Amino acid sequence: GQQLNQSPQSMFIQEGEDVSMNCTSSSIFNTWLWYKQDPGEGPVLLIALYKAGELTSNGRLTAQFGITRKDSFLNISASIPSDVGIYFCAGQYSGAGSYQLTFGKGTKLSVIP
Amino acid sequence: SQTIHQWPATLVQPVGSPLSLECTVEGTSNPNLYWYRQAAGRGLQLLFYSVGIGQISSEVPQNLSASRPQDRQFILSSKKLLLSDSGFYLCAWSTGTGETQYFGPGTRLLVL
Repeated sequence: GQQLNQSPQSMFIQEGEDVSMNCTSSSIFNTWLWYKQDPGEGPVLLIALYKAGELTSNGRLTAQFGITRKDSFLNISASIPSDVGIYFCAGQYSGAGSYQLTFGKGTKLSVIP
Repeated sequence: SQTIHQWPATLVQPVGSPLSLECTVEGTSNPNLYWYRQAAGRGLQLLFYSVGIGQISSEVPQNLSASRPQDRQFILSSKKLLLSDSGFYLCAWSTGTGETQYFGPGTRLLVL
């Protein structure tokens, strides 16, 4: 089955620094999604990417759908304490009527004030 | 706008007891619905998904079952809970094309 490698697994950064995390896949996806999860809550969708090469921003967040359709990255600029949480990438290949998302294992972000 | 609800928020159950978790979606019709389990705050495992009333697909054979009695209602059940059923259970919905899934607030289940 499809697998996603998300890195880094965790990171500690100073407030104000930029953050970068990425996901790579063994096979292609048609959709890439990035979610953030706070402790004890459900994941919240941050950015959705539907086209290879697409670069999309949401405030201080920027994500790109890789040209090969096998990777995506998420950047956070000028991190603040509320950026703390676990960030998940997810990919979907909609061939053969599949609705399933494949999730990465998450990047745990800690921001030091 | 669409909203998704899950209850209860937290549940503590003894081993061998039954389970029923409920998920409802508002503001959309004929959604795809999903149940996930998340262990130790990382990694989401798809358990079941449904594309319509009475239609359930199981991804992982286990002690759990799912039902969809109404268009916007999805229920996760067990007849006898195991210790290994403990975890954080998330319900999600998507449109019929399924590209983007939106998650509920989750139910934390502790089996003792």
